[in-house]
Amino acid sequence: DAGVTQSPTHLIKTRGQQVTLRCSPISGHKSVSWYQQVLGQGPQFIFQYYEKEERGRGNFPDRFSARQFPNYSSELNVNALLLGDSALYLCASFRDTTYEQYFGPGTRLTVT
Amino acid sequence: QKEVEQNSGPLSVPEGAIASLNCTYSDRGSQSFFWYRQYSGKSPELIMFIYSNGDKEDGRFTAQLNKASQYVSLLIRDSQPSDSATYLCAVTRGSNYKLTFGKGTLLTVNP
Repeated sequence: DAGVTQSPTHLIKTRGQQVTLRCSPISGHKSVSWYQQVLGQGPQFIFQYYEKEERGRGNFPDRFSARQFPNYSSELNVNALLLGDSALYLCASFRDTTYEQYFGPGTRLTVT
Repeated sequence: QKEVEQNSGPLSVPEGAIASLNCTYSDRGSQSFFWYRQYSGKSPELIMFIYSNGDKEDGRFTAQLNKASQYVSLLIRDSQPSDSATYLCAVTRGSNYKLTFGKGTLLTVNP
């Protein structure tokens, strides 16, 4: 089975711009979580979605938003980009009957 | 107090030795515990999970959980240079699927 896929792989944006990141979960997984990982730190929780409903939100500003589609894929949007938003953005999917979460390859966002 | 703490390392072991990675957590309500391996520039890869007190073995890896001491560890037997990576400890609380991570421990296995 294919793993979690994310696009794009890399992205360079300018301060103030907006960005959309995409994620497709493992087949059969209905839950998706988003994490931000800055260099030298562990991933930080941003959002979790199940059956298109937001089930959790981390301590991130309202500039961050997400949604989940009927096919369980998901998008993360970040508005008004700041230099501090430069990070690896990770998507993880899981079955919701178990706790194990599997990460995609991530999107490396650089804000200049 | 940080929610999940790990020694950042680097931890250096010779090839063939046992590598021992440690993690403590502050939330006594934590119920599920995970170890992820992350190679430089890559995403985290799930290698072990444990839910009950005691040991869980999978190949060269053993996860150990002690909820009373709020301590979880990962042992890697017969360490190989390919095990060189950052190991991330993560926990979840109850039905909350949010993973809370430590900063990770950098392991270097020397040939």
